[in-house]
Amino acid sequence: DQQVKQNSPSLSVQEGRISILNCDYTNSMFDYFLWYKKYPAEGPTFLISISSIKDKNEDGRFTVFLNKSAKHLSLHIVPSQPGDSAVYFCAARVYGGSQGNLIFGKGTKLSVKP
Amino acid sequence: EAEVAQSPRYKITEKSQAVAFWCDPISGHATLYWYRQILGQGPELLVQFQDESVVDDSQLPKDRFSAERLKGVDSTLKIQPAELGDSAMYLCASSPGQASYEQYFGPGTRLTVT
Repeated sequence: DQQVKQNSPSLSVQEGRISILNCDYTNSMFDYFLWYKKYPAEGPTFLISISSIKDKNEDGRFTVFLNKSAKHLSLHIVPSQPGDSAVYFCAARVYGGSQGNLIFGKGTKLSVKP
Repeated sequence: EAEVAQSPRYKITEKSQAVAFWCDPISGHATLYWYRQILGQGPELLVQFQDESVVDDSQLPKDRFSAERLKGVDSTLKIQPAELGDSAMYLCASSPGQASYEQYFGPGTRLTVT
């Protein structure tokens, strides 16, 4: 039972255009959502997060939108750059008691073409 | 910038052999996580430590996997005996505390079992 779903395994975008990566979730108890970026042979790197009480968080070229009613979040990258080519993981956290771990989606591989 | 250190970066072992991975979290981080990432999937939590105590090992295959963090600093994950299905990337992450949603990942150990 996948609680965090990234239904697009890959996305190809032209340099300078917008990249939109999508994520759906099923658990209403998630309190934070995070996006991680992963290059081959490296560990995931934290990119941006959003609290469940917010609907938007922006950091430079990266913006995350949260639609709680639809249980959907998206990451927008504007403008996209070739260096953004990586696998992007959506992750969510349920916090309570001793549990503070993250649940990850399967990832979306973004390719930004020059 | 402080980083999570892991070694070895790559490990090839034969089925039924023992293998061990080491992780040194960011200094001062009380919470340490071990994840397993199978190709094409997102990271999945194996075990979570708060200082030297295990707070979640529900997904750890305890018949063959063990983890320890004796002094509440660095940690070792062991597999004995290794099986073909254990081939994966083993990621270590740390965070300042359980309440912190941000986790910082190391570069991982790529395990291949032959």
